[in-house]
Amino acid sequence: DTEVTQTPKHLVMGMTNKKSLKCEQHMGHRAMYWYKQKAKKPPELMFVYSYEKLSINESVPSRFSPECPNSSLLNLHLHALQPEDSALYLCASSQDLFMTDTQYFGPGTRLTVL
Amino acid sequence: QQQVKQSPQSLIVQKGGISIINCAYENTAFDYFPWYQQFPGKGPALLIAIRPDVSEKKEGRFTISFNKSAKQFSLHIMDSQPGDSATYFCAASPFGNEKLTFGTGTRLTIIP
Repeated sequence: DTEVTQTPKHLVMGMTNKKSLKCEQHMGHRAMYWYKQKAKKPPELMFVYSYEKLSINESVPSRFSPECPNSSLLNLHLHALQPEDSALYLCASSQDLFMTDTQYFGPGTRLTVL
Repeated sequence: QQQVKQSPQSLIVQKGGISIINCAYENTAFDYFPWYQQFPGKGPALLIAIRPDVSEKKEGRFTISFNKSAKQFSLHIMDSQPGDSATYFCAASPFGNEKLTFGTGTRLTIIP
């Protein structure tokens, strides 16, 4: 099973709302990633967790707050977002951050900020 | 030096034809070269990947050709089908590091 699941599929939020995106994998992977993807562009890395610890933060604004409660779960907490933050948010996982191996992507959450 | 350049930006191929997408890189530390296929509204899915110790890898209708000296790699889709219509991203990551650098993407359309 190479499945990464993400909820919700779609999210519409106002600029003052607080919401969370959820990602789950049961492949025993120890590295998990958040990406942001704008239309017709490649995914852009936001955060990487390795063994439940934040390993990489690609200078993402603090209105995005990641959390890794356990080895299977990854959350992205959203607060005071801007309309330009509207995008497809992708979660991915891989076996280990320091092994060159495949990243498996989830289907994404389509976020619209009004 | 971290860039991966991908071409063409868009490609139209007749059904049954060969689709070819090219990528070039500068960073000699890159050690893993996956191709991802992405349908509208979906996440990227791994199609095929290669490491620089081989010059070619084939899986079904999909082949990666790799030229280490030229720092180029390409995806060939044989007998292209309408269901192959999607956006394709090449990517690369260095040895011992999972941080992927993506190409800019190629929008492939297969016409009947």
